[in-house]
Amino acid sequence: AQTVTQSQPEMSVQEAETVTLSCTYDTSESDYYLFWYKQPPSRQMILVIRQEAYKQQNATENRFSVNFQKAAKSFSLKISDSQLGDAAMYFCAYKDFGNEKLTFGTGTRLTIIP
Amino acid sequence: ETGVTQTPRHLVMGMTNKKSLKCEQHLGHNAMYWYKQSAKKPLELMFVYNFKEQTENNSVPSRFSPECPNSSHLFLHLHTLQPEDSALYLCASSQEGLAGLSSYNEQFFGPGTRLTVL
Repeated sequence: AQTVTQSQPEMSVQEAETVTLSCTYDTSESDYYLFWYKQPPSRQMILVIRQEAYKQQNATENRFSVNFQKAAKSFSLKISDSQLGDAAMYFCAYKDFGNEKLTFGTGTRLTIIP
Repeated sequence: ETGVTQTPRHLVMGMTNKKSLKCEQHLGHNAMYWYKQSAKKPLELMFVYNFKEQTENNSVPSRFSPECPNSSHLFLHLHTLQPEDSALYLCASSQEGLAGLSSYNEQFFGPGTRLTVL
C-alpha cells in the first residue's frame, strides 16, 4: 500500500521569507500523481500544486514550487515570499495512475510570523 | 451555490441518535468521496462513488452508511456512533475518467461537518 510521510508537524517562517515543507512517499508504481493541498483555519481545503510522476520538470505555480525527486520518492513544497495568508495546514497527497483514491500525509502546520 | 457544500457545518449527537450528513456538488463531477479528518492523523478515505456506484469502502464500520442518489448528492447516515467517531467529515468531488484511464483531476473539497459524539 502507498504511504505518504510528512515529518514536520509544524513549521514557521518570517513573512517574505522562503520555507520548504517536506514530503516522502512509498510506492511500487511508476506512474502516479502528487499533490499539495492547503487547509486554512476553518476554511476549505484547496489544491496548491500538482505533479505528474512522468514529468521531470518541477511544477511551479506563482510563489509555490516543488522539488520532485522520483528516485528518492521525495516531493517537497517551496513557498517563496511567504505571506500571512499562507498560514494553514499543508497536506501532501499521492494518487495512482487510473485510480481515484488519494492517500494523504499527516500534514504540516505552517505559521507565518509578521 | 458554487463548489462543494456540506450541511450541517456542526453536529452534536448522542450515541443512540441517528443523523445524516449531506454533501452537494455544483461542479458537474462524476465522483464523490467521504473522508474522516482526525487530529494528527492523515485524512482517511471512507467511501468513493464513481458514476453513482460505490467503488471503495475503506473498511468503514457499518454504523456509517453512505448513500449516493445521483452524481450531485452524497449522504452519510450515522447511527449508534462512538465518541471516537468525533472528527471533521469532509466531502469531495472530482471528474474522473473510466476505470483504468489516467485521471489527473483534482478533488474539490467541501468545508466539512464538525461532528461531536457525546
